[in-house]
Amino acid sequence: DTVLTQSPALAVSPGERVSISCRASEGVNSYMHWYQQKPGQQPKLLIYKASNLASGVPARFSGSGSGTDFTLTIDPVEADDTATYFCQQSWNDPTFGAGTKLELK
Amino acid sequence: EVQLVESGGGLVQPGRSLKLSCLASGFTFSNYGMNWIRQAPGKGLEWVASISSSSSYIYYADTVKGRFTISRDNAKNTLYLQMTSLRSEDTALYYCARQQLGRYFDFWGPGTMVTVSS
Repeated sequence: DTVLTQSPALAVSPGERVSISCRASEGVNSYMHWYQQKPGQQPKLLIYKASNLASGVPARFSGSGSGTDFTLTIDPVEADDTATYFCQQSWNDPTFGAGTKLELK
Repeated sequence: EVQLVESGGGLVQPGRSLKLSCLASGFTFSNYGMNWIRQAPGKGLEWVASISSSSSYIYYADTVKGRFTISRDNAKNTLYLQMTSLRSEDTALYYCARQQLGRYFDFWGPGTMVTVSS
């Protein structure tokens, strides 16, 4: 299985820029996707194929990377962005990262 | 509006079976691949199984292969997951999710909880 590694948690202040990283154990081309999950809710697609913004997602969210290293950037961060963010690869059978919990100071 | 609504979860003893359903609406169900993805309490996401639009291609995670069966009825706009030989480690919230080309998931249901315990 392709293992995806994310940092467990981040804390930022509203208005700042935050970058959430995801590293794959093997190259996944651009087949990396990002989801936001708030407590008690299902995941919501934010970014697909590394850098494409999903429909209805604010332009504050962006994605970059290819191969093994990928980044989700939120700029500027708003209070409503408090959530856990998961990366997912689909180059092989789908796997997810363990998630990065974003907290606001 | 795309909607996915799972049902069929509950408390079940180890070794028993359970069948989940996911009713889709708001889109042409027969045009999309569909998936089951689960999340154990307080844990991350685990892909379980996928089925292509016409059921021609079916894939399973190694953790459920041989025990779970994914299927669909396009006439009823419904996705299924038949789960047998259930184990405590199958305890999770089970989501159904619509798949796009590129095998990412653009819509998810709210999930149905499966608890395997004696």
